[in-house]
Amino acid sequence: GAGVSQSPRYKVAKRGQDVALRCDPISGHVSLFWYQQALGQGPEFLTYFQNEAQLDKSGLPSDRFFAERPEGSVSTLKIQRTQQEDSAVYLCASSTSVGGPWETQYFGPGTRLLVL
Amino acid sequence: GDSVTQMEGPVTLSEEAFLTINCTYTATGYPSLFWYVQYPGEGLQLLLKATKADDKGSNKGFEATYRKETTSFHLEKGSVQVSDSAVYFCALSDRRTTDSWGKLQFGAGTQVVVTP
Repeated sequence: GAGVSQSPRYKVAKRGQDVALRCDPISGHVSLFWYQQALGQGPEFLTYFQNEAQLDKSGLPSDRFFAERPEGSVSTLKIQRTQQEDSAVYLCASSTSVGGPWETQYFGPGTRLLVL
Repeated sequence: GDSVTQMEGPVTLSEEAFLTINCTYTATGYPSLFWYVQYPGEGLQLLLKATKADDKGSNKGFEATYRKETTSFHLEKGSVQVSDSAVYFCALSDRRTTDSWGKLQFGAGTQVVVTP
């Protein structure tokens, strides 16, 4: 079956531009996570959705970062006025249920963002 | 806060050698522990997991045992293949509070290179 997909796979933005990154989770998955992975580092948590509700956005680095999942399926991570420090791979993951700590998260291939 | 520390790479070894990647954690709660793997050009995928003390996770010849007394979850494989070349991430998900939602805290990753 289809896994988690993300688009675009690569994005080059000029500093100050707004970008939108899309995530299509596995069909029927309730939980959706966004992570940011800097070069040579492990992923860092950004935000969590349970269906359409954003229950945790504690990892968003600034108010320039905004995420939504309006119908409980596709999610968009938006970064306004991009800065060079936003350059990273943005990973989306989904899981079947309400995000219990024992659950397996299924990751997409990521979107590599480069801000010039 | 919670954290995961894993040995730095790259780890270079010959085919059929024994592999160990050390992982230790700090957590205020009682976490679930995971190993994720990222093969070249692919997304993160779960390798194995353990949800309580003394549990052993295993998959594809890899094993890791949840050691609460030493706060460790070391990954081992008895005989590696070239196809095991990848970056390996140790991660935890804390079940301290219901609002943890299963978000993952990752280590920095360990690159493993297996030569023929």
